Amino acid sequence: AQSVSQHNHHVILSEAASLELGCNYSYGGTVNLFWYVQYPGQHLQLLLKYFSGDPLVKGIKGFEAEFIKSKFSFNLRKPSVQWSDTAEYFCAVNDGANNLFFGTGTRLTVIP
Amino acid sequence: DAGVIQSPRHEVTEMGQEVTLRCKPISGHDYLFWYRQTMMRGLELLIYFNNNVPIDDSGMPEDRFSAKMPNASFSTLKIQPSEPRDSAVYFCASGLGLAGGGTQYFGPGTRLTVL
Repeated sequence: AQSVSQHNHHVILSEAASLELGCNYSYGGTVNLFWYVQYPGQHLQLLLKYFSGDPLVKGIKGFEAEFIKSKFSFNLRKPSVQWSDTAEYFCAVNDGANNLFFGTGTRLTVIP
Repeated sequence: DAGVIQSPRHEVTEMGQEVTLRCKPISGHDYLFWYRQTMMRGLELLIYFNNNVPIDDSGMPEDRFSAKMPNASFSTLKIQPSEPRDSAVYFCASGLGLAGGGTQYFGPGTRLTVL
């Protein structure tokens, strides 16, 4: 079965620091990749997605993610985080089925 | 579009009572998903439907849980009888399945507390 690993469970950064959250998946075939964000007390919102083409994907709020097929990775990055980025971030993978496999999430706390 | 709509947003009930959660998917989406989120277990897929038909209910925890989708614009998740360990946030999501690349759009969730 497909598995999605997010090794960082909780990341704490100061404002203006750079962010990189790891995501690795297990499926060796064609995949669609997603990052969702869940702000405190809210629902999951789509941050960005990769289907094909340029492996560097830009999303909302200055986030980007890079698909590295050889490493089965889709890491999320932001050059300078803000306090308002405090949230939980979920990586998800579609492996050709009609549903998504989610990682366990990474909680990001940004200290002002 | 109003997005995925869920009701109620909050539900507090006593152990043993029946609970019904409701979801209206985004119009035109033919896939509907029910998830449960807790601190201990994270985000769990309970069941999903395609064209109102349940496709995979392997995530439904036990017989106390049931889900229906009588038409394309409405789904319910029922817990009978409810137990304190059912306390969680229940999310509904909809999408176009592979036709949409697997993208899912989530509702605001129902926070269920069972006393």
